[in-house]
Amino acid sequence: DVKVTQSSRYLVKRTGEKVFLECVQDMDHENMFWYRQDPGLGLRLIYFSYDVKMKEKGDIPEGYSVSREKKERFSLILESASTNQTSMYLCASSLGGLAFFGQGTRLTVV
Amino acid sequence: DAKTTQPNSMESNEEEPVHLPCNHSTISGTDYIHWYRQLPSQGPEYVIHGLTSNVNNRMASLAIAEDRKSSTLILHRATLRDAAVYYCIPTRGADGLTFGKGTHLIIQP
Repeated sequence: DVKVTQSSRYLVKRTGEKVFLECVQDMDHENMFWYRQDPGLGLRLIYFSYDVKMKEKGDIPEGYSVSREKKERFSLILESASTNQTSMYLCASSLGGLAFFGQGTRLTVV
Repeated sequence: DAKTTQPNSMESNEEEPVHLPCNHSTISGTDYIHWYRQLPSQGPEYVIHGLTSNVNNRMASLAIAEDRKSSTLILHRATLRDAAVYYCIPTRGADGLTFGKGTHLIIQP
Protein backbone atom coordinates (compact mmCIF):
# COMPACT_ATOMS: atom_id res chain seq x y z
CA ASP A 1 0.00 0.00 0.00
CA VAL A 2 1.43 3.34 -1.05
CA LYS A 3 2.11 5.79 1.72
CA VAL A 4 2.78 9.39 2.50
CA THR A 5 3.60 9.73 6.16
CA GLN A 6 3.61 12.96 8.12
CA SER A 7 5.58 12.88 11.33
CA SER A 8 2.92 14.33 13.62
CA ARG A 9 -0.86 14.33 13.60
CA TYR A 10 -1.15 17.15 16.13
CA LEU A 11 1.41 19.74 17.16
CA VAL A 12 1.30 22.70 19.51
CA LYS A 13 4.07 25.28 19.30
CA ARG A 14 4.74 28.69 20.78
CA THR A 15 4.93 31.93 18.83
CA GLY A 16 8.46 32.53 17.59
CA GLU A 17 9.53 28.89 17.67
CA LYS A 18 11.15 27.25 14.67
CA VAL A 19 8.91 24.41 13.56
CA PHE A 20 9.74 21.45 11.34
CA LEU A 21 7.01 19.41 9.66
CA GLU A 22 8.35 16.22 8.13
CA CYS A 23 6.91 14.19 5.28
CA VAL A 24 8.14 10.88 3.87
CA GLN A 25 6.84 9.00 0.83
CA ASP A 26 7.64 5.44 -0.22
CA MET A 27 6.65 5.61 -3.88
CA ASP A 28 9.89 7.01 -5.34
CA HIS A 29 7.95 10.03 -6.63
CA GLU A 30 9.94 13.00 -7.83
CA ASN A 31 7.23 15.57 -7.07
CA MET A 32 6.32 16.52 -3.53
CA PHE A 33 4.06 19.27 -2.20
CA TRP A 34 3.06 21.09 0.96
CA TYR A 35 -0.44 22.54 1.34
CA ARG A 36 -2.28 24.21 4.15
CA GLN A 37 -6.03 23.95 4.61
CA ASP A 38 -8.16 26.50 6.41
CA PRO A 39 -11.95 26.71 6.77
CA GLY A 40 -13.45 28.73 3.95
CA LEU A 41 -10.14 28.96 2.09
CA GLY A 42 -9.68 25.37 0.99
CA LEU A 43 -6.29 23.84 0.23
CA ARG A 44 -3.56 26.27 -0.77
CA LEU A 45 -0.16 25.31 -2.14
CA ILE A 46 2.80 26.54 -0.08
CA TYR A 47 5.84 24.98 -1.78
CA PHE A 48 6.62 22.10 -4.06
CA SER A 49 9.68 20.25 -5.26
CA TYR A 50 10.44 18.45 -8.52
CA ASP A 51 13.61 16.79 -7.36
CA VAL A 52 16.18 16.58 -4.62
CA LYS A 53 17.48 20.00 -3.60
CA MET A 54 14.97 21.71 -5.87
CA LYS A 55 12.07 23.82 -4.65
CA GLU A 56 9.44 26.08 -6.14
CA LYS A 57 7.16 28.60 -4.45
CA GLY A 58 3.48 27.89 -4.48
CA ASP A 59 0.70 30.37 -3.91
CA ILE A 60 1.45 31.27 -0.27
CA PRO A 61 5.17 30.75 0.51
CA GLU A 62 5.61 33.72 2.85
CA GLY A 63 6.73 32.67 6.31
CA TYR A 64 7.73 29.19 5.17
CA SER A 65 10.76 27.43 3.73
CA VAL A 66 11.34 23.84 2.64
CA SER A 67 14.12 21.32 2.44
CA ARG A 68 14.51 18.31 0.17
CA GLU A 69 17.81 16.58 0.85
CA LYS A 70 16.56 13.10 -0.06
CA LYS A 71 14.04 12.06 -2.66
CA GLU A 72 11.67 10.50 -0.17
CA ARG A 73 11.64 13.32 2.36
CA PHE A 74 10.23 16.84 2.10
CA SER A 75 10.32 19.12 5.12
CA LEU A 76 8.32 22.28 5.73
CA ILE A 77 9.96 24.82 8.02
CA LEU A 78 8.29 27.66 9.84
CA GLU A 79 11.25 29.89 10.68
CA SER A 80 9.39 31.81 13.38
CA ALA A 81 5.92 30.44 14.00
CA SER A 82 3.07 32.91 14.26
CA THR A 83 -0.54 32.46 15.30
CA ASN A 84 -1.76 32.98 11.73
CA GLN A 85 0.09 29.81 10.79
CA THR A 86 -2.27 27.76 12.90
CA SER A 87 -3.70 25.41 10.29
CA MET A 88 -3.94 21.89 8.92
CA TYR A 89 -0.84 21.08 6.87
CA LEU A 90 -0.99 18.42 4.20
CA CYS A 91 1.91 16.84 2.36
CA ALA A 92 1.55 15.05 -0.96
CA SER A 93 3.66 13.29 -3.52
CA SER A 94 2.67 12.74 -7.11
CA LEU A 95 3.32 11.11 -10.41
CA GLY A 96 1.79 13.52 -12.90
CA GLY A 97 -1.67 14.44 -11.67
CA LEU A 98 -2.00 11.32 -9.53
CA ALA A 99 -1.26 12.54 -6.03
CA PHE A 100 -1.18 10.81 -2.68
CA PHE A 101 -1.70 12.78 0.49
CA GLY A 102 -0.66 12.27 4.05
CA GLN A 103 -3.13 12.36 6.92
CA GLY A 104 -2.24 15.92 7.76
CA THR A 105 -0.67 17.71 10.71
CA ARG A 106 -2.90 19.99 12.70
CA LEU A 107 -0.57 22.72 13.96
CA THR A 108 -1.64 25.13 16.65
CA VAL A 109 0.59 28.11 17.39
CA VAL A 110 -0.11 29.71 20.76
CA ASP B 1 -4.86 26.59 -14.28
CA ALA B 2 -8.39 26.21 -15.58
CA LYS B 3 -11.14 27.71 -13.43
CA THR B 4 -13.76 25.25 -12.22
CA THR B 5 -17.34 25.65 -11.05
CA GLN B 6 -18.97 23.06 -8.82
CA PRO B 7 -22.13 23.18 -6.70
CA ASN B 8 -21.33 24.03 -3.08
CA SER B 9 -23.27 21.04 -1.82
CA MET B 10 -25.43 18.15 -2.93
CA GLU B 11 -27.55 15.69 -1.07
CA SER B 12 -28.46 12.14 -1.98
CA ASN B 13 -29.92 9.04 -0.42
CA GLU B 14 -27.94 5.96 0.39
CA GLU B 15 -27.74 3.33 -2.37
CA GLU B 16 -28.88 5.78 -5.02
CA PRO B 17 -26.69 7.07 -7.88
CA VAL B 18 -25.07 10.46 -7.49
CA HIS B 19 -24.04 12.74 -10.35
CA LEU B 20 -21.57 15.44 -9.38
CA PRO B 21 -21.14 18.10 -12.09
CA CYS B 22 -18.15 20.30 -12.83
CA ASN B 23 -17.73 23.08 -15.36
CA HIS B 24 -14.20 23.78 -16.60
CA SER B 25 -14.78 25.89 -19.69
CA THR B 26 -11.19 27.26 -19.79
CA ILE B 27 -9.53 23.85 -19.75
CA SER B 28 -6.50 23.53 -22.00
CA GLY B 29 -6.14 20.77 -24.54
CA THR B 30 -3.48 18.95 -22.56
CA ASP B 31 -5.15 19.07 -19.14
CA TYR B 32 -6.47 15.87 -17.70
CA ILE B 33 -9.59 16.11 -15.55
CA HIS B 34 -8.91 14.72 -12.12
CA TRP B 35 -11.36 14.13 -9.31
CA TYR B 36 -10.33 13.90 -5.71
CA ARG B 37 -12.36 13.60 -2.56
CA GLN B 38 -11.65 14.47 1.04
CA LEU B 39 -13.34 12.53 3.78
CA PRO B 40 -13.71 14.21 7.18
CA SER B 41 -10.39 14.55 9.04
CA GLN B 42 -8.38 13.00 6.22
CA GLY B 43 -6.18 14.16 3.37
CA PRO B 44 -7.63 14.21 -0.15
CA GLU B 45 -7.66 10.94 -2.06
CA TYR B 46 -7.65 10.28 -5.78
CA VAL B 47 -10.92 9.11 -7.28
CA ILE B 48 -10.57 9.05 -11.06
CA HIS B 49 -9.20 10.97 -14.03
CA GLY B 50 -9.68 11.20 -17.78
CA LEU B 51 -8.75 13.18 -20.87
CA THR B 52 -11.48 12.79 -23.47
CA SER B 53 -13.18 9.42 -23.14
CA ASN B 54 -15.45 8.32 -20.34
CA VAL B 55 -13.64 6.34 -17.66
CA ASN B 56 -14.66 3.74 -15.11
CA ASN B 57 -12.89 2.35 -12.08
CA ARG B 58 -13.93 0.56 -8.92
CA MET B 59 -14.80 3.81 -7.16
CA ALA B 60 -16.68 5.78 -9.79
CA SER B 61 -17.29 6.68 -13.40
CA LEU B 62 -16.28 9.88 -15.15
CA ALA B 63 -18.32 11.26 -18.01
CA ILE B 64 -16.56 13.97 -20.04
CA ALA B 65 -18.46 16.24 -22.38
CA GLU B 66 -17.44 16.12 -26.01
CA ASP B 67 -16.15 19.72 -25.90
CA ARG B 68 -14.36 18.92 -22.58
CA LYS B 69 -15.82 22.01 -20.95
CA SER B 70 -17.64 19.99 -18.34
CA SER B 71 -17.52 16.61 -16.68
CA THR B 72 -19.63 14.57 -14.29
CA LEU B 73 -18.45 12.22 -11.59
CA ILE B 74 -20.88 9.36 -11.10
CA LEU B 75 -21.11 7.31 -7.94
CA HIS B 76 -23.32 4.39 -8.92
CA ARG B 77 -24.60 3.46 -5.46
CA ALA B 78 -23.70 5.98 -2.81
CA THR B 79 -22.96 4.79 0.70
CA LEU B 80 -22.56 6.75 3.91
CA ARG B 81 -18.80 6.38 3.48
CA ASP B 82 -19.01 8.43 0.29
CA ALA B 83 -19.93 11.56 2.25
CA ALA B 84 -17.03 13.89 1.50
CA VAL B 85 -15.97 17.01 -0.34
CA TYR B 86 -15.39 16.23 -4.02
CA TYR B 87 -12.95 18.30 -6.05
CA CYS B 88 -12.75 18.53 -9.83
CA ILE B 89 -9.24 19.55 -10.94
CA PRO B 90 -8.08 20.06 -14.53
CA THR B 91 -4.32 19.65 -14.50
CA ARG B 92 -1.21 18.48 -16.29
CA GLY B 93 -0.07 17.57 -12.82
CA ALA B 94 3.45 18.84 -12.87
CA ASP B 95 2.96 21.98 -10.80
CA GLY B 96 0.66 20.67 -8.11
CA LEU B 97 -3.07 20.44 -7.90
CA THR B 98 -5.11 23.61 -7.51
CA PHE B 99 -8.08 22.88 -5.28
CA GLY B 100 -11.27 24.91 -5.52
CA LYS B 101 -14.04 24.82 -2.95
CA GLY B 102 -15.41 21.50 -4.19
CA THR B 103 -18.85 19.97 -3.63
CA HIS B 104 -19.83 18.84 -0.18
CA LEU B 105 -21.75 15.60 -0.74
CA ILE B 106 -24.22 14.66 1.98
CA ILE B 107 -25.61 11.13 2.03
CA GLN B 108 -28.85 10.50 3.86
CA PRO B 109 -29.46 7.01 5.27
